[in-house]
Amino acid sequence: ELKVEQNPLFLSMQEGKNYTIYCNYSTTSDRLYWYRQDPGKSLESLFVLLSNGAVKQEGRLMASLDTKARLSTLHITAAVHDLSATYFCAVERGGADGLTFGKGTHLIIQP
Amino acid sequence: DTGVSQDPRHKITKRGQNVTFRCDPISEHNRLYWYRQTLGQGPEFLTYFQNEAQLEKSRLLSDRFSAERPKGSFSTLEIQRTEQGDSAMYLCASSPPGPRNTEAFFGQGTRLTVV
Repeated sequence: ELKVEQNPLFLSMQEGKNYTIYCNYSTTSDRLYWYRQDPGKSLESLFVLLSNGAVKQEGRLMASLDTKARLSTLHITAAVHDLSATYFCAVERGGADGLTFGKGTHLIIQP
Repeated sequence: DTGVSQDPRHKITKRGQNVTFRCDPISEHNRLYWYRQTLGQGPEFLTYFQNEAQLEKSRLLSDRFSAERPKGSFSTLEIQRTEQGDSAMYLCASSPPGPRNTEAFFGQGTRLTVV
């Protein structure tokens, strides 16, 4: 059974600091997705990583994928309060359509 | 609004009642997914349609759950004889034609509370 593990599950940090969220998954997959969810809202797609070594950046967020290590990272640079949200990584379900999600990382950025 | 639309946004029902949710995907998207999300968890895959065909159902989808997409456009998810454990956010997502797991766009969800 495919498992997707994120850590940390909860992170409180100060504005201006850097931090990394980790996503490990248990089976081979060439595709990994990062989503953001604000309280009471739906999921917003952040990044789609389609191959080993893929790196994508948007503003203060950068995501990377190492398929050999089955690891993706989401790096936050010089955090700002607006980035407070829950971040999910998700992986293809064993070659089928649909995704398996991690439990999410609840991120709070304090002024 | 050209995003994925779900209705209703909130539903409170008594245990044992039937409920039905609707999802309208982005118009040119042929793939449609239903997920369930409980508090503090990530979304869990329930079922998937390509056009009007339901191609896969999760083991999570008991026989009290049924989903349809009759004309390959909107979809409905019905839960019969609701139980308190059915309380969750039900999310619908759609994807355009193309390779599997092309980027999915999620709706706002329907929050179900069974009392």
